[in-house]
Amino acid sequence: GAVVSQHPSRVICKSGTSVKIECRSLDFQATTMFWYRQFPKQSLMLMATSNEGSKATYEQGVEKDKFLINHASLTLSTLTVTSAHPEDSSFYICSAAPTDTQYFGPGTRLTVL
Amino acid sequence: GENVEQHPSTLSVQEGDSAVIKCTYSDSASNYFPWYKQELGKRPQLIIDIRSNVGEKKDQRIAVTLNKTAKHFSLHITETQPEDSAVYFCAASKGGFNKFYFGSGTKLNVKP
Repeated sequence: GAVVSQHPSRVICKSGTSVKIECRSLDFQATTMFWYRQFPKQSLMLMATSNEGSKATYEQGVEKDKFLINHASLTLSTLTVTSAHPEDSSFYICSAAPTDTQYFGPGTRLTVL
Repeated sequence: GENVEQHPSTLSVQEGDSAVIKCTYSDSASNYFPWYKQELGKRPQLIIDIRSNVGEKKDQRIAVTLNKTAKHFSLHITETQPEDSAVYFCAASKGGFNKFYFGSGTKLNVKP
């Protein structure tokens, strides 16, 4: 149990375009999901907490207009990187929590050219 | 806010030896402490967790200890195997659906 999927696993886009990443809880309902960013050889950096039916809570320093989060259902949260630039290239991972334990998706490798 | 520190950043052990990774936290309200293992390019996987009402928890070769007074918790891996090689992260949380505060990670290398 507690399986989280993420799509796409890898995306390459041109600078200035927008990219949408989906995070799904497959076998449980998740009122809360989390979005992280991870740079090579570094820890997980929390970007925002996604709450079903309400606005996401962003961490300090994360631009909410650039990283749009929509938690439209109890099993789906999306992260849209708007007007992507090369510095947005990173590994993005979501997690979902059926209880107080978070289970992670497989991550999305974003490369912005 | 919470601050989680993790040591060492890298750890090399011989196969069969034990490995210990230590974390400290600052917020006494934290009451849930999970440990994750992340292999290169893959998702973090929960390997063990402990709640503040327990001092120690064991699962086969893996154990976690918690000292609430000192605000530190440790991961112990016995009889290490090459497949234990990965990056390990500790985290602290106030439980419920509160966010996790992660340590900086420990890269464990088990030499055959």
